[in-house]
Amino acid sequence: KAGVTQTPRYLIKTRGQQVTLSCSPISGHRSVSWYQQTPGQGLQFLFEYFSETQRNKGNFPGRFSGRQFSNSRSEMNVSTLELGDSALYLCASSLQERATAKNIQYFGAGTRLSVL
Amino acid sequence: LAKTTQPISMDSYEGQEVNITCSHNNIATNDYITWYQQFPSQGPRFIIQGYKTKVTNEVASLFIPADRKSSTLSLPRVSLSDTAVYYCLVGSNNAGNMLTFGGGTRLMVKP
Repeated sequence: KAGVTQTPRYLIKTRGQQVTLSCSPISGHRSVSWYQQTPGQGLQFLFEYFSETQRNKGNFPGRFSGRQFSNSRSEMNVSTLELGDSALYLCASSLQERATAKNIQYFGAGTRLSVL
Repeated sequence: LAKTTQPISMDSYEGQEVNITCSHNNIATNDYITWYQQFPSQGPRFIIQGYKTKVTNEVASLFIPADRKSSTLSLPRVSLSDTAVYYCLVGSNNAGNMLTFGGGTRLMVKP
């Protein structure tokens, strides 16, 4: 069974631009969650989706948004990029409805975003 | 949400057993303890999960004392490829809970 697929793997953008990252969950998984990982802040929760509905959102500005499609694939968008948005963006999928410490999450390899 | 405390880093040598302890003093009745492993530039990977006593799989063992205020991840006979960051997570499916990673433990296995 294919794992969680994130595209693209690497991305270079300049300040002020916007970016869209894509995540295809494991087949049959309907829950998708997104995380930002930086050396300074570690792994931080962005948001989670289940059946095309956002269930929870982390403490990030409105420039960060996401959506989930009927086939469970998800995208996240960052508008008006800032230098501090440079990070590894990770997507995870799960069989269970919620992205919690109890429900096992399957992570993709991530998208490395560099903002210049 | 239960706060977790782990050592920032640990060193070991190939072939040794490694034990990483996680403290979670305010663990709730419904909380489970889950460990993930992360290699550089990759997403975390689930290792093991438990609620109480001992759990063992093909990769690791998880020891949880009766009071559940701590847990120990045990990696038998580590190899260089076990060099990674290990995260301890504690939580349940209660509404409002979200997946929160702490700083993790950076394990360095030396030859």
